Order: sequence, then C-alpha cells, then structure tokens
Amino acid sequence: NAGVTQTPKFQVLKTGQSMTLQCAQDMNHNSMYWYRQDPGMGLRLIYYSASEGTTDKGEVPNGYNVSRLNKREFSLRLESAAPSQTSVYFCASSEGQYSNQPQHFGDGTRLSIL
Amino acid sequence: QQPVQSPQAVILREGEDAVINCSSSKALYSVHWYRQKHGEAPVFLMILLKGGEQKGHEKISASFNEKKQQSSLYLTASQLSYSGTYFCGTDYYGGSQGNLIFGKGTKLSVKP
Repeated sequence: NAGVTQTPKFQVLKTGQSMTLQCAQDMNHNSMYWYRQDPGMGLRLIYYSASEGTTDKGEVPNGYNVSRLNKREFSLRLESAAPSQTSVYFCASSEGQYSNQPQHFGDGTRLSIL
Repeated sequence: QQPVQSPQAVILREGEDAVINCSSSKALYSVHWYRQKHGEAPVFLMILLKGGEQKGHEKISASFNEKKQQSSLYLTASQLSYSGTYFCGTDYYGGSQGNLIFGKGTKLSVKP
C-alpha cells in the first residue's frame, strides 16, 4: 500500500550542482504534480502532468524541468541548483485531471542548497 | 490568485470547537481541504464543489458558500490528533486542468 513514493528523502547540494528528484505512484493515477513548500508560503505548483505524455508549467517553473517517464513515474530535475531552491518538495497524484478528485501526496524531499 | 485563510493560527483545549475560513476574490469551482502534521505529507480531508454542499468527515465538516466565494472548515469537540496545519486549495472557473492554488495555511494546536 505504498501510494506515492519519493526519493531521496533528504539531499544537500552545492550551488551549481544538478540532481533529479524521483516520484512514483502505484494507484494507476493519470495526473501527477510537483509542489514546493516554503515556510509561510503554502504549497506552490512547479509543474504538472495531466496525463501520460503531457507536462505543463505551474506557478513557479523557473529553474526546473520535468519528465513524465511513464504513467507511474514523474521526475523533477534541477539543472543548476541555487540557494533559492532550498525547500521541501512534494509530489502528488490524482485519478483524473479535474479538481473534483483528491490529490495524494508523497512524504516529501527535503533539499538544502549551500 | 492565492486564497486567504483565517485565522493564521489558533490554540484550542481538547473538546473545544474551531472554524477555519478560506476566502477567494474569484469565483470558485472547487475547494479542497488538507491537513499536514509537522514533517509529514499533506493528507486529504474533503472536496467541496460549487453548489454549496456541506460535507462531513468524523467530527470535521465543511461548507462552501458560492455567493461569498468562501469555504469554512468546522472542527467540533477537538482532539489532540487534530493538531496540524490546515490548507485549503482552490480551483477557479476556467482553471486549467484541475490545478489547485493553496492558501498559506492555518496552524491549529490542541492542548490537553
């Protein structure tokens, strides 16, 4: 009963390094999302994938890229990490692409960039 | 446009009631409510769709007032386990593909 699985759980990077955050869901959901959460800011959408084969920008996409590898997996890449990208990153999935469906969140990746 | 949640924080004693509001300046299609405990993932509570329906989940219920563009979350006879930060997520008419815009959250602390 895994739900949404994110790896890694913690990561420390140096400015300019790159890395990929992985997300996989086992609920056969069509839509997947990447959010970042900063203190006092709530959750902000970075990118989303309404269905396999499609991706679109959210509210704060600058500095990130995504890949919807297949229906299960949706990865987030930081090409050249900056201190402003220090945050907690959450992946989520939902059954359909409309907001009458709940979103299920992974446990998050805590990323620090020095 | 980010919805506004109020209050920002509230402290309760066990057994007391609380109301958390989520207000929008734009017409709403749906409102989601999530609870997040410290260091954990947000957990889905309920969805309200346009039409003003009220929903319930154990001792937690919510309403959606379409005219006021506002949703309220009601927590009755609070328990220690209700502590956490509550977020509303809103989708507006014409919102693209079900994306939610979340409020900044309301921190609820329930004391013995």
